[in-house]
Amino acid sequence: EVQLVESGGGLVQPGRSLRLSCTASGFTFGDYAMSWVRQAPGKGLEWVGFIRSKAYGGTTEYAASVKGRFTISRDDSKSIAYLQMNSLKTEDTAVYYCTRDIETTDAFDYWGQGTLVTVSS
Amino acid sequence: SYVLTQPPSVSVAPGQTARITCGGNNIGSKSVHWYQQKPGQAPVLVVYDDSDRPSGIPERFSGSNSGNTATLTISRVEAGDEADYYCQVWDSSSDRVFGGGTKLTVL
Repeated sequence: EVQLVESGGGLVQPGRSLRLSCTASGFTFGDYAMSWVRQAPGKGLEWVGFIRSKAYGGTTEYAASVKGRFTISRDDSKSIAYLQMNSLKTEDTAVYYCTRDIETTDAFDYWGQGTLVTVSS
Repeated sequence: SYVLTQPPSVSVAPGQTARITCGGNNIGSKSVHWYQQKPGQAPVLVVYDDSDRPSGIPERFSGSNSGNTATLTISRVEAGDEADYYCQVWDSSSDRVFGGGTKLTVL
């Protein structure tokens, strides 16, 4: 059974940093691209960024709203994806979901339960 | 950036057919994916690549895509289908993009 479990969320002050982790199980983690999607309270879904599998270079892409502040990485030996968030803003407050990308298209076939990040002074 | 437009809400009686639209410039040339999100839960993929269903998704869920509009159709709607529904595509200018979401109410 595919499982994605996010951790690392919490309350953080504006301008500070936070790192989220996504621990995967039930599939060969290294074969898949992984994404992060967020949802502000009461709002819709917003794609944050993704990291390709090593077979496709392990490169990353980001939404304009987080580019230069957020960094996605992966440790295939531990089946973990990370989201490093720097220079956090109040508008980054959201539930952050880790997702697995379908191999043949750009959809997200499995989602974690999400972790809440609150940016407030 | 690429914009996807969904109606904020759709209402339907049990047993009837719900149609949720997703509008975008020449969206018919893109692959559209649909997600269902119930309150307090993570989204679930219900249709991908316009009309394919992941395993475990009932045949009542179907999709189509042409011109400037993609449509998620839910046949024989049940109370358990009440949820928010989001469309999503990939675009060269914006990468992955979500629509604003549609709240489906089962009357």
